[in-house]
Amino acid sequence: GQNIDQPTEMTATEGAIVQINCTYQTSGFNGLFWYQQHAGEAPTFLSYNVLDGLEEKGRFSSFLSRSKGYSYLLLKELQMKDSASYLCAVYGGSQGNLIFGKGTKLSVKP
Amino acid sequence: GAVVSQHPSRVICKSGTSVKIECRSLDFQATTMFWYRQFPKKSLMLMATSNEGSKATYEQGVEKDKFLINHASLTLSTLTVTSAHPEDSSFYICSARGSGRSYEQYFGPGTRLTVT
Repeated sequence: GQNIDQPTEMTATEGAIVQINCTYQTSGFNGLFWYQQHAGEAPTFLSYNVLDGLEEKGRFSSFLSRSKGYSYLLLKELQMKDSASYLCAVYGGSQGNLIFGKGTKLSVKP
Repeated sequence: GAVVSQHPSRVICKSGTSVKIECRSLDFQATTMFWYRQFPKKSLMLMATSNEGSKATYEQGVEKDKFLINHASLTLSTLTVTSAHPEDSSFYICSARGSGRSYEQYFGPGTRLTVT
């Protein structure tokens, strides 16, 4: 079956660094996405990893280890506006669809 | 990045009526469109996948006669919730994928449906 796990909630301080982990078990794998979703809004694309390693994009970085079925999203220099849910999604499964985790709600405090 | 629009953004309807939600890709041709629903504090649940000119493929447990999906052109897909009930109240989000960058999906802003 398909399973994507990530922590339900995290709290961090403005200016700090936070790492959000994601583990997955899917019947196929064509890449892993991270999305940011503010309450009541649609997800917005943050990153895409298909090969092992670290992808850096400004304050956000994403890491993938396919052998371990593991990814993390690293957010640096946290800002209050980073308070949102972060969704890990794997492109896989028998239909080749995007399978979402339940999301991690990040609260950034002053 | 590519832009996907949804209309309406919010809709309130009475139980038993039907509601149509439109999803448009504004600056690219969407060969595949996806419809998701999301309950409060839950993740996105894929309802169906549609390819232009073909019948939609529904996920297990999603009633195809209740949630009618039409993907008549490369820029437009519609979801019609027929005979809506209060339990259909949810946040419906579409996404679109073009033929160029095969795995990237672009999400619409979502439609909040409330059935009274």
